[in-house]
Amino acid sequence: EVQLVEFGGGLVQPGGSLRLSCAASGFTFSAYSMAWVRQAPGKGLEWVSYITSASDTIHYAASVKGRFTISRDNAKNSLLLQMDSLREEDTAVYYCVQGRGIYDPYAGTSPPTYHYYLEVWGNGTTVTVSS
Amino acid sequence: DIQMTQSPSTLSASVGDSVTISCRASQDISGWVAWYQQQPGKAPKLLVYQTSTLPGGLPSRFSGSGSKTAFTLTISGLQPDDFATYFCQQFKSFPYTFGQGTKLEIK
Repeated sequence: EVQLVEFGGGLVQPGGSLRLSCAASGFTFSAYSMAWVRQAPGKGLEWVSYITSASDTIHYAASVKGRFTISRDNAKNSLLLQMDSLREEDTAVYYCVQGRGIYDPYAGTSPPTYHYYLEVWGNGTTVTVSS
Repeated sequence: DIQMTQSPSTLSASVGDSVTISCRASQDISGWVAWYQQQPGKAPKLLVYQTSTLPGGLPSRFSGSGSKTAFTLTISGLQPDDFATYFCQQFKSFPYTFGQGTKLEIK
């Protein structure tokens, strides 16, 4: 069974840092792209960041670019999110998510284009940024 | 960025009813849309991907359709567990974006 368990959430002051981790099990972690998605209290879902299986492609939402860093350790089956310069608007539940890629034969690109839906979600860890 | 607009924001229905939730993309996303269900206090769960494909084990009362910019999620024969919040999401291009959600309530 695929399992994703997030760690590292907590209370931090504005301007502070926090490092989230996600322990993956039940699948070949090194073969999958991964993502972080967050949800502010009472709000909808916001995609935060994405990393390919070999860490060769990384994307960030504009709201976190330059402050958050996604990385992974395939030897330890672990996904990480380093969050710096935290703001009150970063307060949210952060979900670790396994991505599943679908090849797009119509994109006509080289290298091939894949599109990734969010297949399996962890239970989330809560980050609260407040003074 | 591609904007995803869901409607309605809230939907009231009874057990056994059929309901449809709509999602409109701000540009052609070529069917690269997924739908997720979220129960209160729980993580989202994948329902549909690539417009109409259901993950294994999902009940067939869930179905998705659409093309280009207009997509729908239909739930037929509502069960008590179906009363939840539903989100659409485009995965055609980064940044991936979600609709604002539709809360399905018991009438």
